[in-house]
Amino acid sequence: NAGVTQTPKFRILKIGQSMTLQCTQDMNHNYMYWYRQDPGMGLKLIYYSVGAGITDKGEVPNGYNVSRSTTEDFPLRLELAAPSQTSVYFCASTGTGGFMNTEAFFGQGTRLTVV
Amino acid sequence: AQSVTQPDIHITVSEGASLELRCNYSYGATPYLFWYVQSPGQGLQLLLKYFSGDTLVQGIKGFEAEFKRSQSSFNLRKPSVHWSDAAEYFCAVAGFNDMRFGAGTRLTVKP
Repeated sequence: NAGVTQTPKFRILKIGQSMTLQCTQDMNHNYMYWYRQDPGMGLKLIYYSVGAGITDKGEVPNGYNVSRSTTEDFPLRLELAAPSQTSVYFCASTGTGGFMNTEAFFGQGTRLTVV
Repeated sequence: AQSVTQPDIHITVSEGASLELRCNYSYGATPYLFWYVQSPGQGLQLLLKYFSGDTLVQGIKGFEAEFKRSQSSFNLRKPSVHWSDAAEYFCAVAGFNDMRFGAGTRLTVKP
């Protein structure tokens, strides 16, 4: 019963490099989300998906891309890493109806540093 | 759009003392409100939630919260704090496709 699993847990990138943060869930949830957490700022939504093949922007999407080819996986891609993307990234999932209808489950986070 | 304010960035309490963490929300309709706890290096764990009904909600680990519509508040309380309660606490309000979080309150527990 793994829930939401994120990999890697830690990563250091150089400016301009690219990487993909992986997120997978085993609860057959349709809705998945990517948040970033900056110190003193709480969590902010980057992208979300309401099902395979459907994605949409959140509050802070610039510099990121996502895809959703399966129900289980929702990878987040950084194409040209910038220092402003240094943050802790959380993936979350909910059942159909989103946060207002079902409980959200969060991964343990990926701490990314861009130098 | 919905938003949440947590006025206290950091609170220190003695073990065994009572605790109240403040949360104010802004939302046009009936809010869906949550409190989460985050231990260092961990993800978020749901403490409790309010959707409707009784304005005093009970959660896990002995926490409770009271929804006050007139004050747009959803404060978290615990009668007696344990050292293991030291963590960061987030209040959040849900929309259909997003959850807006406050900036968090870091709780330190003194022996």
